[in-house]
Amino acid sequence: AQSVAQPEDQVNVAEGNPLTVKCTYSVSGNPYLFWYVQYPNRGLQFLLKYITGDNLVKGSYGFEAEFNKSQTSFHLKKPSALVSDSALYFCAGGGTASKLTFGTGTRLQVTL
Amino acid sequence: NAGVTQTPKFQVLKTGQSMTLQCAQDMNHEYMSWYRQDPGMGLRLIHYSVGAGITDQGEVPNGYNVSRSTTEDFPLRLLSAAPSQTSVYFCASSYSGYSYEQYFGPGTRLTVT
Repeated sequence: AQSVAQPEDQVNVAEGNPLTVKCTYSVSGNPYLFWYVQYPNRGLQFLLKYITGDNLVKGSYGFEAEFNKSQTSFHLKKPSALVSDSALYFCAGGGTASKLTFGTGTRLQVTL
Repeated sequence: NAGVTQTPKFQVLKTGQSMTLQCAQDMNHEYMSWYRQDPGMGLRLIHYSVGAGITDQGEVPNGYNVSRSTTEDFPLRLLSAAPSQTSVYFCASSYSGYSYEQYFGPGTRLTVT
């Protein structure tokens, strides 16, 4: 069965510092990988995805993610965090099955 | 475009009652799905549809029914509500399949007492 793991429940970072939110996956075949963000009392919003091609994927709001096949990871990164980036971040992945599996989410807290 | 709309926003049910959560999209998307979000468990897929007239089960389908008679609508029916179905429910749609960006509705917060 496919699975997606987000090992950190919460990540704390100071504004202006780089941030990383970790994600590892286990899927059959070539993976489809996504990052979504959820603000309080809202639905999820798409940030970026990896299907094929360059291992570094750029997305919305200055976020990027690095696909690492050997480590089965897809970590989300941003060079300089903003207080407004504080939210719940979900990694999701799928393989040959036509279903998407979400991680448990990581709460990002950016402080001044 | 309204995107993905869900009604109601909030609902309280008693154990054993039935109800339908409504979901509609105006983007002519083929793929629609229902998720439930529970604390510490992320989002789990309940049912999905790859087009009108075609539905399939997700990870946690028990206690829920769906149908897709039109491209626009994808209602989720709770047959006999149980406290374990207390959750936040999200509907989502995408152009064609889960490999495309999914657009999520605002969610329905359901409490079963």
